[in-house]
Amino acid sequence: DQQVKQNSPSLSVQEGRISILNCDYTNSMFDYFLWYKKYPAEGPTFLISISSIKDKNEDGRFTVFLNKSAKHLSLHIVPSQPGDSAVYFCAARANNAGNMLTFGGGTRLMVKP
Amino acid sequence: NAGVTQTPKFRVLKTGQSMTLLCAQDMNHEYMYWYRQDPGMGLRLIHYSVGEGTTAKGEVPDGYNVSRLKKQNFLLGLESAAPSQTSVYFCASSLVGPKRNEQFFGPGTRLTVL
Repeated sequence: DQQVKQNSPSLSVQEGRISILNCDYTNSMFDYFLWYKKYPAEGPTFLISISSIKDKNEDGRFTVFLNKSAKHLSLHIVPSQPGDSAVYFCAARANNAGNMLTFGGGTRLMVKP
Repeated sequence: NAGVTQTPKFRVLKTGQSMTLLCAQDMNHEYMYWYRQDPGMGLRLIHYSVGEGTTAKGEVPDGYNVSRLKKQNFLLGLESAAPSQTSVYFCASSLVGPKRNEQFFGPGTRLTVL
């Protein structure tokens, strides 16, 4: 049973518009959440994170929102650029799981020029 | 500064063969990790290490062994490869403390077991 789910395998957005990537989780012990970005034939790279004590974290064009009651987080990219086309993974860490991250299945974002 | 490197990039094995994947990092990171990525499954942690000489099991450790004899290297071994181990393997490393979850990944090793 996947504890972190990204229900949209793919998303297509026009350049300049907003991209919203969603992630749902089931484990109430998760207290830290991250988004990673992955280009083909490369390893994932860290993008942005949020602690469970916050509901929003912003870094340039990227904002992560956390809704603990709904066990839902989202990544907003504004404005979207063609170079943002990649697979995005959300990940979560439980406060009783040491260094283990649980990843979602990923969402492929395509930003069209 | 090469970051995290993995050797080899590609490998094809026959069922029952053994092999070792090598991960090296030059960032002086304490923590190192081995993941596998399968379609639709995201990344799943196989084994990890919180320091030289220490290892621990992750989510999917069966069929794999690891060793961390030097701080900068983390080896993943398959003693008797099975087709279910066909996957892309990623190594990662991180600092200790608050930044430990911001992991730096290598480029991956694509392994096919026939």
